[in-house]
Amino acid sequence: EAGVTQFPSHSVIEKGQTVTLRCDPISGHDNLYWYRRVMGKEIKFLLHFVKESKQDESGMPNNRFLAERTGGTYSTLKVQPAELEDSGVYFCASSLLADLGGETQYFGPGTRLLVL
Amino acid sequence: AQKVTQAQTEISVVEKEDVTLDCVYETRDTTYYLFWYKQPPSGELVFLIRRNSFDEQNEISGRYSWNFQKSTSSFNFTITASQVVDSAVYFCALTQMIKAAGNKLTFGGGTRVLVKP
Repeated sequence: EAGVTQFPSHSVIEKGQTVTLRCDPISGHDNLYWYRRVMGKEIKFLLHFVKESKQDESGMPNNRFLAERTGGTYSTLKVQPAELEDSGVYFCASSLLADLGGETQYFGPGTRLLVL
Repeated sequence: AQKVTQAQTEISVVEKEDVTLDCVYETRDTTYYLFWYKQPPSGELVFLIRRNSFDEQNEISGRYSWNFQKSTSSFNFTITASQVVDSAVYFCALTQMIKAAGNKLTFGGGTRVLVKP
């Protein structure tokens, strides 16, 4: 069974440009999460999809970040325009939808974003 | 609010030594899950264990063992007879056990383990 995949693995862009990150969750996982680790800081939650709906976007830093999950399969995270402080590693995770919640989240390899 | 603290930022050991990683958490929830993840040099986060707040039994999996103590809000992780392949960053994480809460993970800052041959 394929794990969570993310594309691209690395991205280097200039300040003001747009970047779109993609995440393909494990097949059958309705929960999809985005996290970010900025240099030297903890891994922080960005948002959570249940199927195609945004369940929780409390971690999105500002309106330069836009996440979508059309059709409830893969998800994209767009940063427009990118700023220097957006540099970091963006992780995607997916999990099954269970009654009790707290299902194990399986992570992708991350996208390393560098904004110059 | 939830918080996870991994006080050790980096631990260096020689192969075959045991190493214990500390994790202390704060939560107002009475039901929750705790996790450990491993991040090897390749960068992905690899799931190691999930423990619910009702189950305080220690767990052993090969050379890995976990000590959950609710009284001290700690979920420590021990690698016995460490090997070079254990070199990685290890993250402790916490989530609520309520589906409606969304189950976002709160992570600690991570502990980098370096095992020297």
